[in-house]
Amino acid sequence: GENVEQHPSTLSVQEGDSAVIKCTYSDSASNYFPWYKQELGKGPQLIIDIRSNVGEKKDQRIAVTLNKTAKHFSLHITETQPEDSAVYFCAAGGGGGSNYKLTFGKGTLLTVNP
Amino acid sequence: GAGVSQTPSNKVTEKGKYVELRCDPISGHTALYWYRQSLGQGPEFLIYFQGTGAADDSGLPNDRFFAVRPEGSVSTLKIQRTERGDSAVYLCASSLNAGGRETQYFGPGTRLLVL
Repeated sequence: GENVEQHPSTLSVQEGDSAVIKCTYSDSASNYFPWYKQELGKGPQLIIDIRSNVGEKKDQRIAVTLNKTAKHFSLHITETQPEDSAVYFCAAGGGGGSNYKLTFGKGTLLTVNP
Repeated sequence: GAGVSQTPSNKVTEKGKYVELRCDPISGHTALYWYRQSLGQGPEFLIYFQGTGAADDSGLPNDRFFAVRPEGSVSTLKIQRTERGDSAVYLCASSLNAGGRETQYFGPGTRLLVL
């Protein structure tokens, strides 16, 4: 089955700096890569997703890049703000016979220091 | 519009007891998913419904876990003879249609603690 590795596990940045979180996946058939933000005590909230027919997608301060050859994708947050502090999860889906199933990374705790 | 809702938000039970966790998906969403999230981990797939039927229950850890969705909307996850290792956050998600590239929207989760 699919395996998703996520790095780093923790990331601390100063307000206004950029943050980058990287993920790799194992199933070359995967073709859907969402990113979720989870605040303490809440469920994961989708912040951006990318499908394998594009290499990059941007939404205001957030961007995701996908390299299908290398089987890795990254989340980029620019001009970070304290409210960006949360745990971020990458996930991969759409692959193999169970194409509806999302496989998640272990998460990155992002702390944005004012 | 209303998102995915889950009740109860917290559940404390004793080892050996039976619990039911409820999920109300977004109205009109045909696909429903249950995931389990242990402390410090990402969500792990448990079961997937397309309409009323469980299309894939391969993620359920053992036969103490069962889920239903009798009318194709609300779903209930049932855990028999709970064990301390069942303590986790149980997340429900729904998507408009089935398929691997559909966006899954998550509820707030039910935090289950088995004493």
